Amino acid sequence: GAGVSQSPRYKVAKRGQDVALRCDPISGHVSLFWYQQALGQGPEFLTYFQNEAQLDKSGLPSDRFFAERPEGSVSTLKIQRTQQEDSAVYLCASSLMRQGALLQPQHFGDGTRLSIL
Amino acid sequence: DAKTTQPPSMDCAEGRAANLPCNHSTISGNEYVYWYRQIHSQGPQYIIHGLKNNETNEMASLIITEDRKSSTLILPHATLRDTAVYYCIVILAAGNNRKLIWGLGTSLAVNP
Repeated sequence: GAGVSQSPRYKVAKRGQDVALRCDPISGHVSLFWYQQALGQGPEFLTYFQNEAQLDKSGLPSDRFFAERPEGSVSTLKIQRTQQEDSAVYLCASSLMRQGALLQPQHFGDGTRLSIL
Repeated sequence: DAKTTQPPSMDCAEGRAANLPCNHSTISGNEYVYWYRQIHSQGPQYIIHGLKNNETNEMASLIITEDRKSSTLILPHATLRDTAVYYCIVILAAGNNRKLIWGLGTSLAVNP
């Protein structure tokens, strides 16, 4: 059984460029999460999807950050006009959790390490 | 804001039990305690969770105090591969808020 897959594993971009980070969740997982992790810190929540619906985007740091999950499976996190402070590891997690249901553990990918020069 | 407090670092000898404490003095009655760990350059890995009873699985044991204000994660026979940052998280058992709020965790070093 494949786990959560993220690509690319590493991404280097120049300041001002747009980037797109991909997440393939575990098949059948309804919920999908994006987190941002700065060096030496714990992950910080960015946004949450239930199927294709984005139910919580309160953690997105600015309107340069945009996430989508159009068919309720693969998700893309897009960052426009990147800045140096966007450098971090971006983690994706998926879960069987459904709205209103009891918690299920989140399963994480190994992340995309983004470096903005 | 993280609702848990953990020591920043701990050491453990290989083959011995590692006991990782977590303080969650403001936990509410419907909040679970979850433990994850993160090995260097990997994503976090779920370990175990509990509400008020002690729990055990193939990875670890979780001991929650009777007043639920603190807990201890026990790795019974630590190996070098258990070297990681361990995160203790409290989260509502049900409802719409599903995001995990992480602190800084405990960096566990298992020494040969």
